[in-house]
Formats: sequence, C-alpha cells, structure tokens
Amino acid sequence: SQQGEEDPQALSIQEGENATMNCSYKTSINNLQWYRQNSGRGLVHLILIRSNEREKHSGRLRVTLDTSKKSSSLLITASRAADTASYFCASPRRGANNLFFGTGTRLTVIP
Amino acid sequence: SAVISQKPSRDICQRGTSLTIQCQVDSQVTMMFWYRQQPGQSLTLIATANQGSEATYESGFVIDKFPISRPNLTFSTLTVSNMSPEDSSIYLCSGKVGGDTEAFFGQGTRLTVV
Repeated sequence: SQQGEEDPQALSIQEGENATMNCSYKTSINNLQWYRQNSGRGLVHLILIRSNEREKHSGRLRVTLDTSKKSSSLLITASRAADTASYFCASPRRGANNLFFGTGTRLTVIP
Repeated sequence: SAVISQKPSRDICQRGTSLTIQCQVDSQVTMMFWYRQQPGQSLTLIATANQGSEATYESGFVIDKFPISRPNLTFSTLTVSNMSPEDSSIYLCSGKVGGDTEAFFGQGTRLTVV
C-alpha cells in the first residue's frame, strides 16, 4: 500500500507550544501534501511540497521533506486552540490522480 | 481555489434504504473523487467520478452498491444503496484541477445507518 504512516497518532500540547507531526511513505512521490480536518468535516489543504524541495513555510507552518528517508514532517509553531484538528499527509497515487492519505495525527491544543 | 458544496451534511437512515449525496463545484474541475472515512480512520477512495461515463471503482467497491453520476464538470452524486450499519461513515467528495495539484473537499456527509 502506498498509504503513509503518521506519528504520533495523537498529540496533546499546551497553547503556545510547537507541534510536530511526522509522515512516512513507501513509494517515490512527485509531491507530498498536508491537510487539516476539523471534527470529521471536510479536509482543508494546508501546504504542498514538491519532491525537489526540502523545506517550505506558510505562516506558522513549516514542512520538510526527505525523499531519501521517504518522510515528511509538519511543524506548527506557537499553537492555538483553533489548531485542534486531525492532520493528514497525502501523496498522489502513481499512475492516477487521486491522493493516498496517511493514517492521521489527532492534535489537541489545550488553552 | 474551488469551493465544493456537499449535501446533506448528515443523515440517519434505516437499513435497506438508499441515500444520494450531491456535490456541486463552483468552478470546473478536471477530476472528482469520492472517499469514505470510517470512524477514527483515514480516507479510503471509493471511486473516480468520470464525466459522462461510468465511474472507476477501487477494489472492494462496486457500482451496484455505490452508483456514481457525473453529468458535467461541476456536479456529481454518490448513492449508498441498500444500506447496512456497516455503511455508517463520513462520505467526502473531492475535486482537483490537475494531477499534481492540491485537492478540494466538500464538507462531508456523516451517515448513520440504524
């Protein structure tokens, strides 16, 4: 399966702390994407990093990609209660256009 | 970016009945997909909705159980047929403009079968 594995499965932190989530995948990819899902609702795209990029920033988000280790990490700095959600990594399926999703990390930010 | 309106947002259905979920995109997207998310799990692709032709189903999903329509580039429906409690899940539609671009999602339909 191309599905990514994420760790930790669940993470609980205090507001203001940083949160780091990791994603590992099995096959070569063109890009890796991160999504947020609030309370079992629709997913919102956060950031896309291409295979020739090593790091990318967007506001309080920092994503890294290590293609040699087939892994990526998402760092949320200065977390807020509103960041409480599930976070998924995803990559395009080889030979198709849909995304394979990782197992997800459930983040809880305590006010 | 595209906005996808999905309805209903939730429903409670009797076993043996069917439910049709609709997704409307505010702009043309090349590709549309339907996913299922079982409680506490990740997303699993049901099928790719093809405009004007039969959907492409993933292993474990069949047209008789999950008929899909996509009459044009901005609209698609998924029907969950002859429902059983095991069909209780969140169903999500998604659209993409290109192969290596991000995906847009509807707000999901939380289905409970009793």
